[in-house]
Amino acid sequence: AQSVAQPEDQVNVAEGNPLTVKCTYSVSGNPYLFWYVQYPNRGLQFLLKYITGDNLVKGSYGFEAEFNKSQTSFHLKKPSALVSDSALYFCAVRDVGTGNQFYFGTGTSLTVIP
Amino acid sequence: DAGVIQSPRHEVTEMGQEVTLRCKPISGHDYLFWYRQTMMRGLELLIYFNNNVPIDDSGMPEDRFSAKMPNASFSTLKIQPSEPRDSAVYFCASSDPTGGAETQYFGPGTRLLVL
Repeated sequence: AQSVAQPEDQVNVAEGNPLTVKCTYSVSGNPYLFWYVQYPNRGLQFLLKYITGDNLVKGSYGFEAEFNKSQTSFHLKKPSALVSDSALYFCAVRDVGTGNQFYFGTGTSLTVIP
Repeated sequence: DAGVIQSPRHEVTEMGQEVTLRCKPISGHDYLFWYRQTMMRGLELLIYFNNNVPIDDSGMPEDRFSAKMPNASFSTLKIQPSEPRDSAVYFCASSDPTGGAETQYFGPGTRLLVL
């Protein structure tokens, strides 16, 4: 069965410090992996995706994510957090072999403290 | 492109009333998804369409919920009769999978409150 886990409901980080939001996945085939961000009272916005190739993927707003096949992880990172990065972050996976359905994690609320 | 358009943005209704949510996908996208988001259950996929045809409606909670896509540029999600537990934010998303892994683009959502 396909699934995504975000083990942390809440992550707090000081402004200027590096941030990591964790995601692990489980799929039967090759995964396509995504990160989305949701600001208050807004829809989800696409940040970045991994399809194939380089394990380090760079996305919008200075975010990047590293695909680790052996650990089945796709953690979201940013070298220096901004207060404006405070939002809800969702990891999602699409199992290429089973159609176009996305499986979303439960979300991680990131708070960047000034 | 204006992105995915949803209407209304907010809806307050009384229990037992019919509610219709509307979505206009991004032009050229042939997949359309309806999601529901609540604090308790997170983001849930309700149903998705490909080329206007429902592909998977296993996430639709019960017969009170129905969705249609009469053409490539319009979809509705209807709840009849509505109940307080249907209160949530309902998102529509569209994607174009040509060329490989598609990205889903989300609308701003409809915030539904059933009293």
